[in-house]
Amino acid sequence: DSGVTQTPKHLITATGQRVTLRCSPRSGDLSVYWYQQSLDQGLQFLIQYYNGEERAKGNILERFSAQQFPDLHSELNLSSLELGDSALYFCASSVGLTRQETQYFGPGTRLLVL
Amino acid sequence: KNEVEQSPQNLTAQEGEFITINCSYSVGISALHWLQQHPGGGIVSLFMLSSGKKKHGRLIATINIQEKHSSLHITASHPRDSAVYICAGARSQGNLIFGKGTKLSVKP
Repeated sequence: DSGVTQTPKHLITATGQRVTLRCSPRSGDLSVYWYQQSLDQGLQFLIQYYNGEERAKGNILERFSAQQFPDLHSELNLSSLELGDSALYFCASSVGLTRQETQYFGPGTRLLVL
Repeated sequence: KNEVEQSPQNLTAQEGEFITINCSYSVGISALHWLQQHPGGGIVSLFMLSSGKKKHGRLIATINIQEKHSSLHITASHPRDSAVYICAGARSQGNLIFGKGTKLSVKP
């Protein structure tokens, strides 16, 4: 158990819908990263927050948004869903911002868009 | 060219064999992570390296910064080591760039 929690574990929805994925980092960790794992693209970085502020952005679509709340949990919002958004979404947390820190991964949310 | 490339893509070994997975990375990456992903999907961090060598049990990871190359070794492999091993480079803010993974199958 990494100490990072994600809900829900599974999500099935239809095209055009909007969903919210939630992540609670390990106690004491200030950085939260969101990653997407799809069959064709593999694992890719979406967005990073540190202590409530966005710090880095990767291949995140405009239909997707995220935020980190004062209690440090984070939410990833996916809207106008398309079939291609079906993927495993992971969040990870680390203590700070440096590149030399271990990241602890949550169990992931498996999203299926029908 | 991908920023992080690993090889081989697939690897089958007999129990007890010594296994090596290689990873090459590009400029702009100065820390390297090795991750393990089990069939259920969960990802576990094995090592984070910025120099030298680290060992944990039967797993050894090395990095050569000049050559931008890292290796993950598994000694005395066991069927429970069967998983996908992923090499990932860390950017300046810590976000990771992933290799495509190596699917390891260890046969009893």
